[in-house]
Amino acid sequence: AQTVTQSQPEMSVQEAETVTLSCTYDTSESDYYLFWYKQPPSRQMILVIRQEAYKQQNATENRFSVNFQKAAKSFSLKISDSQLGDAAMYFCARYGSSNTGKLIFGQGTTLQVKP
Amino acid sequence: DTGVSQNPRHKITKRGQNVTFRCDPISEHNRLYWYRQTLGQGPEFLTYFQNEAQLEKSRLLSDRFSAERPKGSFSTLEIQRTEQGDSAMYLCASSFTLSGEQYFGPGTRLTVT
Repeated sequence: AQTVTQSQPEMSVQEAETVTLSCTYDTSESDYYLFWYKQPPSRQMILVIRQEAYKQQNATENRFSVNFQKAAKSFSLKISDSQLGDAAMYFCARYGSSNTGKLIFGQGTTLQVKP
Repeated sequence: DTGVSQNPRHKITKRGQNVTFRCDPISEHNRLYWYRQTLGQGPEFLTYFQNEAQLEKSRLLSDRFSAERPKGSFSTLEIQRTEQGDSAMYLCASSFTLSGEQYFGPGTRLTVT
């Protein structure tokens, strides 16, 4: 089964500190894309960061970075210097095995940022 | 605003009624996706269009569901004979390339009473 698993339903972090959200996935493919999406309360989903599986270098976008462990099929998101605006639900996702680009999402992790 | 738009934003309907949602993708995007998201869960793929062609449908898309994308522009998702289990957020997304970022709309929240 092509699944994406987020084992942390909720996480909290103190403002300005660092938090890591976990994600594991299942795939039989050697080349694929992985994503982290952010969904703030009552707002639309936006892409935070993406990783191409053939690239060994971990992707970074400002305060957001990933730890991509291909052999372990692990794809965690690290948020540094957390801000109040980072509070949201975060979804890990990957492309499905078809050639359509459909996304398969994890269950999500709700991140609370404490002032 | 040149993002993905969806209408209506909220829809309350009685069980058994038909509903139709509309999605307007970013104009140059030829790929359009529909997802369904229930409370506290991740979105689940429903169907995909490349231009006007519907190329994939999930098994979640029962025969009560139909989607169209005439002329490869906006798309509609119709649910016939709605059931309480259809209550969810229906999300539309579009992208320019196969591996490109999918841009999501704000969603249509359906409540079936």
